[in-house]
Amino acid sequence: DAGITQSPRHKVTETGTPVTLRCHQTENHRYMYWYRQDPGHGLRLIHYSYGVKDTDKGEVSDGYSVSRSKTEDFLLTLESATSSQTSVYFCATSLQGDALYEQYFGPGTRLTVT
Amino acid sequence: GESVGLHLPTLSVQEGDNSIINCAYSNSASDYFIWYKQESGKGPQFIIDIRSNMDKRQGQRVTVLLNKTVKHLSLQIAATQPGDSAVYFCAEKGGSWGKFQFGAGTQVVVTP
Repeated sequence: DAGITQSPRHKVTETGTPVTLRCHQTENHRYMYWYRQDPGHGLRLIHYSYGVKDTDKGEVSDGYSVSRSKTEDFLLTLESATSSQTSVYFCATSLQGDALYEQYFGPGTRLTVT
Repeated sequence: GESVGLHLPTLSVQEGDNSIINCAYSNSASDYFIWYKQESGKGPQFIIDIRSNMDKRQGQRVTVLLNKTVKHLSLQIAATQPGDSAVYFCAEKGGSWGKFQFGAGTQVVVTP
């Protein structure tokens, strides 16, 4: 998994509670991403980061925020979890560079909101 | 582990046969494509990529074909092995940097 870890790997939480997922990489990759994966859907981009403290929204960013204070860590926060946010969340990283678009994925976090 | 494989089309392949997995993409301006493999309980793993200025690219036991006229991408796996059982999906990059669109995937089941 190219030195990408996610924590926790599993989480059950109640509606309305805040949740933070962590992605940690040891590859010194500049770019980091958060995706969600749901049955019948492809991976959908939530937020991404192109450097420390530089982040931008993806296609399904509502209800999520991110922070990146260090190159190696990218945090995803569900401000007030809802049942529609039950999903598997994947972090990914990629190198900077015109030819280097390949994204390396972490093992995922299964989040259940009850 | 983490996996999402419900409600996906399934391709059953006998061990030793060749597999062909298809993907229709949506954006005629997409300039870069990737095939990923996702095993049960794991994150997606890069298999092979191709740029829009090519129509074929080969890797180890895998070949990707790109037909821009009909916006179609295929992945061919030669001599399919049990370890090839997984969900395979394509990704296309179009528009602004780094934003891929991912297909839902195809479940490949290799039978002995």
